[in-house]
Amino acid sequence: AQSVTQLDSQVPVFEEAPVELRCNYSSSVSVYLFWYVQYPNQGLQLLLKYLSGSTLVKGINGFEAEFNKSQTSFHLRKPSVHISDTAEYFCAVSGNNQGGKLIFGQGTELSVKP
Amino acid sequence: GAGVSQSPSNKVTEKGKDVELRCDPISGHTALYWYRQSLGQGLEFLIYFQGNSAPDKSGLPSDRFSAERTGGSVSTLTIQRTQQEDSAVYLCASTFHHRGNTEAFFGQGTRLTVV
Repeated sequence: AQSVTQLDSQVPVFEEAPVELRCNYSSSVSVYLFWYVQYPNQGLQLLLKYLSGSTLVKGINGFEAEFNKSQTSFHLRKPSVHISDTAEYFCAVSGNNQGGKLIFGQGTELSVKP
Repeated sequence: GAGVSQSPSNKVTEKGKDVELRCDPISGHTALYWYRQSLGQGLEFLIYFQGNSAPDKSGLPSDRFSAERTGGSVSTLTIQRTQQEDSAVYLCASTFHHRGNTEAFFGQGTRLTVV
């Protein structure tokens, strides 16, 4: 079984500041890792994913994440945020032989202030 | 359309009534998933379909919940005798295959309110 922990439920930050949203996971099998974003009243949209290979993955809107196997982490970062990045961010894992279902963290609400 | 479509977008129902939620996946996507998003519970997996069969129903919270998929396309999630704790946003997603290393495309969800 897998589980995902997002360590911060809310992250307030000023525009143009850097941000890191933390995610830790646990699993007894190899996993694929994802970050999804949910803008108000919308469905989820994929930001980026780690499947294999380079541990630093780049996604849309200037976001990137680093897979750290020893620390079982997959933190999301952006060097300079915009007001439009205000949204809820979900970290998720998927196991190799589990039909593609996603196990989500509780979500982190990113609030970017001017 | 090109994306995952869910209907209705909003549903208010009286406690004890049955409701049906519909999901139209992206054409050609073989796998379809239902999730529930509620305050305090986050995003929970409910059930997934590969074609018309459901290999994993482990997330359905009770026997009041059921789902089917026909023609490898449209899926309906049925909740019988709705309770207030069923109030949530029900999200549907589809993927090209079910092997886990693929992007899931989500619909905008159905917001269910049980009064």
